[in-house]
Amino acid sequence: QVTLKESGPVLVKPTETLTLTCTVSGFSLSNNRMGVSWIRQPPGKALEWLAQIFSNDEKSYSTSLKSRLTISKDTSKSQVVLTMTNMDPVDTATYYCARYSSMHDAFDIWGQGTMVSVSS
Amino acid sequence: QSALTQPASVSGSPGQSITLSCTGTSSDVGAYDYVSWFQEYPGKAPKLMVYDVSHRPSGVSNRFSGSKSGNTASLTISGLQAEDEADYYCSSYTRSSTYVFGTGTKVTVL
Repeated sequence: QVTLKESGPVLVKPTETLTLTCTVSGFSLSNNRMGVSWIRQPPGKALEWLAQIFSNDEKSYSTSLKSRLTISKDTSKSQVVLTMTNMDPVDTATYYCARYSSMHDAFDIWGQGTMVSVSS
Repeated sequence: QSALTQPASVSGSPGQSITLSCTGTSSDVGAYDYVSWFQEYPGKAPKLMVYDVSHRPSGVSNRFSGSKSGNTASLTISGLQAEDEADYYCSSYTRSSTYVFGTGTKVTVL
């Protein structure tokens, strides 16, 4: 069974750096048909794609947030890490990690999400 | 990258068919057949319903069907059921090698 689970702080202060971890099971991050993306959703608002890392370590970032984001993976730990610098209250959202499958050309399995609030 | 445009809400009676639209540009929806649709219930993670414009993952009802014409993709839900009441989002790959989601449509079953 394929699962993804997000973990990280519930609350961060403005200007701080957010670090989120996605732990996957049921598939390998070295599988050349798979990648992992981070996607967020502010309360009551739409989904927003943030970043993706593929099995060959190829990375891509949202054009508007690129300067603040870093995505990386530790294949041995089955983990994908996203850091977002200079957090602001508008970054308050549920953050999801999702598997990208080349078989579906889509985000086919999602984690449950983790809610992050930005407040002083 | 601007979000894809979806109607804020669509409603229908049980048994009816409804169609949700997703309008982008020649740089995203119109550029590739990499359009997906997701169903989201409140407080739950999105679920993939359609990929590559018109393909359904295993386990998704054949009442859900997708299509595309030019820069607009569509999701049709036939034989509308109470359980279909949810938010629906489209997504597309873009020429910038990024992904973009739609603004979301709330489906109400009357």
